[in-house]
Amino acid sequence: SYELTQPPSVSVSPGQTATITCSGDKLGDKYACWYQQKPGQSPILIIFQDNKRPSGIPERFSGSNSGNTATLTISGTQAMDEADYYCQAWDTGTAIFGTGTKVTVL
Amino acid sequence: QVQLQESGPGLVKPSETLSLTCTVSGGSISSYYWSWIRQAPGKGLEWIGYFHYSGSTSYHSSLKGRITISVDTSKNQFSLKLRSVTAADTAVYYCARSGAPPLAAFDSWGQGTLVTVSS
Repeated sequence: SYELTQPPSVSVSPGQTATITCSGDKLGDKYACWYQQKPGQSPILIIFQDNKRPSGIPERFSGSNSGNTATLTISGTQAMDEADYYCQAWDTGTAIFGTGTKVTVL
Repeated sequence: QVQLQESGPGLVKPSETLSLTCTVSGGSISSYYWSWIRQAPGKGLEWIGYFHYSGSTSYHSSLKGRITISVDTSKNQFSLKLRSVTAADTAVYYCARSGAPPLAAFDSWGQGTLVTVSS
């Protein structure tokens, strides 16, 4: 079955750039999206179709997808960005979520 | 702004059937794809399956045979039934909306409801 792998954790200083990767076989041939989940809350969509931001999502969140890797970049990371992040793609009609990455803002 | 709200028992006995309902407000259920997604305590997200009002369904292969997702358009609700539950089915269950795969993402989520499987 298809799998999406993310690093378990990423640490970043306030104001710096956080980069979160999501790896899967030929992921670049699929559409990747990203969700942010804070403790005790539902996930929210922050990137869809590789690099599009829903209304209300800050510009500091950006995405890319090529080859076997999709990437979420948080530029000028703020304390409020501390959360779990999940990538997601569809494979033969099944939604696959990545393993998740905990972003810590130190 | 569409809103989704899960409801159902918070405790289910092993071997019994877990039944949850998601009520959709602020939009019609007769469009979009409607999914159930779960998250075991301290774990990641796991998609369970979706239903489209046209009758199209897709279920996670690991749960096929135990799942039924159905829609009641008259009540603007969709439901999940998961049979023969075990402790491994203990999780927060979310309902969510998406457009048509494979382009679409889950753009609206319910608040989630914790279901514990225990005798």
